[in-house]
Amino acid sequence: GAVVSQHPSWVICKSGTSVKIECRSLDFQATTMFWYRQFPKQSLMLMATSNEGSKATYEQGVEKDKFLINHASLTLSTLTVTSAHPEDSSFYICSPPGAGVSDTQYFGPGTRLTVL
Amino acid sequence: SQQGEEDPQALSIQEGENATMNCSYKTSINNLQWYRQNSGRGLVHLILIRSNEREKHSGRLRVTLDTSKKSSSLLITASRAADTASYFCATDGGQETSGSRLTFGEGTQLTVNP
Repeated sequence: GAVVSQHPSWVICKSGTSVKIECRSLDFQATTMFWYRQFPKQSLMLMATSNEGSKATYEQGVEKDKFLINHASLTLSTLTVTSAHPEDSSFYICSPPGAGVSDTQYFGPGTRLTVL
Repeated sequence: SQQGEEDPQALSIQEGENATMNCSYKTSINNLQWYRQNSGRGLVHLILIRSNEREKHSGRLRVTLDTSKKSSSLLITASRAADTASYFCATDGGQETSGSRLTFGEGTQLTVNP
């Protein structure tokens, strides 16, 4: 299956600071990357989709100016949480699309963000 | 985005018993996937079932899919303490393009007591 890494695996920051999360595809090239968010004891919700060479697309209710997404290359997508607040504390997970409509989709190991 | 529903929300059983979790969804799909998540960890893919399939097995896992009822079930047989985790179903919304974004169910927290 696809190998995806995320860095950092966890981060604690002060309110008002910005945090960058990296998602790398290690054994394949990805023109698209899905970013999900999971609050404690809740399910995963799609936040946005990064696209190599074009702007990211955001789901309804997700602030694009707060969650900056950049698909820098075919192996790297980044999510920057700007001016983080405690309510942004969550588990952020990236996932490349499967190879076909009936293909398994794999997920990165996730990044736990805690904003104090 | 829409989310599916899963029941039960929490399930506690003894080792050796079977565990059944159900998932319902709202849109047409190409496939449905089940994932496991240990506390505070990433997702582990368990099994994928296509919309034209009705049942699929993988080891101790059995998944059924009823597209007429828009529902699926995951059965874990002979459960072990190591099966303790949250289980999520995820659907692709029936989009025709490859690599569709997934919509997740609310999850079932399974606890297997030794």
